[in-house]
This record gives sequence, C-alpha cells and structure tokens, in this order.
Amino acid sequence: NAGVTQTPKFQVLKTGQSMTLQCAQDMNHNSMYWYRQDPGMGLRLIYYSASEGTTDKGEVPNGYNVSRLNKREFSLRLESAAPSQTSVYFCASSFAGTDYGYTFGSGTRLTVV
Amino acid sequence: LAKTTQPISMDSYEGQEVNITCSHNNIATNDYITWYQQFPSQGPRFIIQGYKTKVTNEVASLFIPADRKSSTLSLPRVSLSDTAVYYCLVGESGANNLFFGTGTRLTVIP
Repeated sequence: NAGVTQTPKFQVLKTGQSMTLQCAQDMNHNSMYWYRQDPGMGLRLIYYSASEGTTDKGEVPNGYNVSRLNKREFSLRLESAAPSQTSVYFCASSFAGTDYGYTFGSGTRLTVV
Repeated sequence: LAKTTQPISMDSYEGQEVNITCSHNNIATNDYITWYQQFPSQGPRFIIQGYKTKVTNEVASLFIPADRKSSTLSLPRVSLSDTAVYYCLVGESGANNLFFGTGTRLTVIP
C-alpha cells in the first residue's frame, strides 16, 4: 500500500542512549518532514527536507539530526536522548507545489526514562 | 507565517452539521487554508484546501469569506467516527514549514 512507513512503532530509551527513527515513502514525493507531538499538544516541526540532498531546521531542531538518504528515506537521529524528548514522532511527505497536502505515517511513540 | 485561532473543543450530536471556524487575520496573499483531521494514535490526514469562496469534496466543505481572515470547515451529518482533532493551517501551497497549532477537539455524542 502506498504511503509513509515509520519504524519502529514503539521505543523505550534510557537517558543518554542514541537511536535513529526511520521513515520511507513510496509516493515519489520530493519533500519530507519530521514532527513531534507531545500529549495534548499540536505538532511541532523538527526538521524538513524540501528535496533530496537538502535539509532545514524547523521549530524545534535542538537535540536532533536528520539524513535524507535518498528520495524515499528520511531518518531522524537522537544522539543523546533526554526525557524531554519523550513524545510521538510523525514523519510526513508531500509533493511540493501541489494542493494534495501532507501524507503522514502512523507515528513512533518514544519514551526516554 | 500566519497564525491561526480555533476553538479548543466542540461537542455535537450524531447526524448534526458541524461548523468549525478558524481565524487567520494575518493571512498573506499567497496563502492557502488547509484542514487536517487526526484520530487518536494516528498521524493527521489531509481533508480539504481552499483559497477563496467555497470548496467542497466528499468529506467536507470549506467556506472562505472575501477578506479571507477566517474560514469555516463544515462537516455534514457527523457520525461517531468523526470524533477527532481538526487542525486549520495557513500557508503557501506546498509550503515546507506548516504550523499545526493545537487544533479543535470534536467529540460526537450518540
């Protein structure tokens, strides 16, 4: 099925551990995004990639790094996890310049203890 | 980016029409208005987008007055499955830094 696939769906980390969240889309979209959503809050943009080979900071980039591996894949890395990074992380993609909106993945629920 | 203001929550009975209004006083000439729906434990889903007047699709209608400083998402005859959070976003079509805000939590009551 076409869409955005995120792995893993759930993860528990200890403070200071590192991990990479994976995201892949098969819709040939050129733009990809990482958002975080805290309980009862809206989504906040962490990083985005307007096209393969480019990445830009969003609203809350501190503590994260990203890699646009190819047109399909956009990963988010936490180098040293902190409890403040406990959240649900959503990856999304879009075909910039159209009005079809963003397609979101089902999310990764991350807990840092 | 134009910020938006929408009600925090709304309740409605099944079968009623629901209208959710969003204010965006600082909307720019090139900005579009887009609405998303988010169910618990899922990512948001694109519902509808418009620039001016009225847009309708199989899910909802979007009404935008001439001054474009507000917009209204209309959901006809809601069912329990329409219980979700609805986000109003304003930005250029295809923009890469859309601001989601906290949305409107709609609860449909039997």
